[in-house]
Amino acid sequence: AIRMTQSPSSFSASTGDRVTLTCRASQGVRSSLAWYQQRPGEAPKLLIYATSTLQSGVPSRFSGSGSGTDFTLTINYLQSEDFATYYCQQYYVYPFTFGPGTKVDMK
Amino acid sequence: EEQLVESGGGLVQPGGSLRISCAASGFTSSEHSMDWVRQAPGEGLEWIGRVGNKASRYTTQYAASVEGRFTISTDDSKNSVYLQMNSLKTEDTAVYYCSRSPRGSIGDFWGQGTLVTVSS
Repeated sequence: AIRMTQSPSSFSASTGDRVTLTCRASQGVRSSLAWYQQRPGEAPKLLIYATSTLQSGVPSRFSGSGSGTDFTLTINYLQSEDFATYYCQQYYVYPFTFGPGTKVDMK
Repeated sequence: EEQLVESGGGLVQPGGSLRISCAASGFTSSEHSMDWVRQAPGEGLEWIGRVGNKASRYTTQYAASVEGRFTISTDDSKNSVYLQMNSLKTEDTAVYYCSRSPRGSIGDFWGQGTLVTVSS
């Protein structure tokens, strides 16, 4: 199975910050990479699919980039509702696998 | 309004069985791939399986951790997807989510989850 890693595992930020989260796959996944946001007690919410395609209704301050094995999620001008845990997921080959998540909390 | 509602979770003893359901409304589940994802308490997300759409003849795929114990099925008449879980282990304790995956995308819509607790 493809192993997904994310860094950092957690960090503190302030509203208005620009935040960059990293996801790495143990082997190439082409562009089949998605990002999710999960707030406590809620179901995950799709932010980005196909590496860089913004899901309908997601604010444009979220963006994704990368290819092959290295991917990033960038949040421009962090808002209070963005403090959450972020997961990447590859869907290039079965079994689809998630990264362990990056928790973004308030500084 | 599009909606996914999971149900059927609860407490089950190790070695027992349970079937949980995912009812779709506002869209036709058979037109999409449907995934099951679980989250153990305080842990991350784990993809556990998928049933493809009707055009794929409902092909299924599973994670190694549940292969041979869990089975995903569908009922078009009820617009629902099911997860039959057998030989349950304590490590299967988790919130179980179903999600919709349109062609070319994944996980664009999720249910609220149902909690399965495996304990004696």
